[in-house]
Amino acid sequence: LAKTTQPISMDSYEGQEVNITCSHNNIATNDYITWYQQFPSQGPRFIIQGYKTKVTNEVASLFIPADRKSSTLSLPRVSLSDTAVYYCLVHFYNQGGKLIFGQGTELSVKP
Amino acid sequence: GAVVSQHPSRVICKSGTSVKIECRSLDFQATTMFWYRQFPKQSLMLMATSNEGSKATYEQGVEKDKFLINHASLTLSTLTVTSAHPEDSSFYICSARLRLAGSYNEQFFGPGTRLTVL
Repeated sequence: LAKTTQPISMDSYEGQEVNITCSHNNIATNDYITWYQQFPSQGPRFIIQGYKTKVTNEVASLFIPADRKSSTLSLPRVSLSDTAVYYCLVHFYNQGGKLIFGQGTELSVKP
Repeated sequence: GAVVSQHPSRVICKSGTSVKIECRSLDFQATTMFWYRQFPKQSLMLMATSNEGSKATYEQGVEKDKFLINHASLTLSTLTVTSAHPEDSSFYICSARLRLAGSYNEQFFGPGTRLTVL
């Protein structure tokens, strides 16, 4: 399973765009990249998933360069309620299903 | 999205007792469920993979006789912490894998169970 590296913490202010980058140098051909959000004392919540280039949904965008050795989660115009821990995971698509969580990035949004 | 529930949400027990935590997929069938443990300020640690109708697969370092997992139906998996001790106090989270033909096997997480062993 590919190891991921993320910043331990980030600070931002309301209304700003936040970009969290994750490194996954040994990503395999069949691996997908998925980001989860976790609030204190809650289970993780799926944010977005991608394989290459750019994926966008109603809450975030995911940018993946051609070499796929990193990915960037982009949260547009964050609010206080986006304060949470964000996890980047790399895993096989449509196989095993085992998810291994890294340390995550603790995002703090200030007023 | 699909909903996964856990019961209880919070439990306090005395040292030496056993505690059972239930994980249910409410609106879908889950052939595979996963159990995680999370200590304060730490990431989720996968404990075991639970497959319906078969024995669970435990991660290295997780005692299978202490953390008993039963996946008796396609919607229910249980984790029993036997002879609990204070060091077992943690946040236990389950997830269930939704498998659709020809699509990604997305996992949905339960809300977690806070176990405190006195």
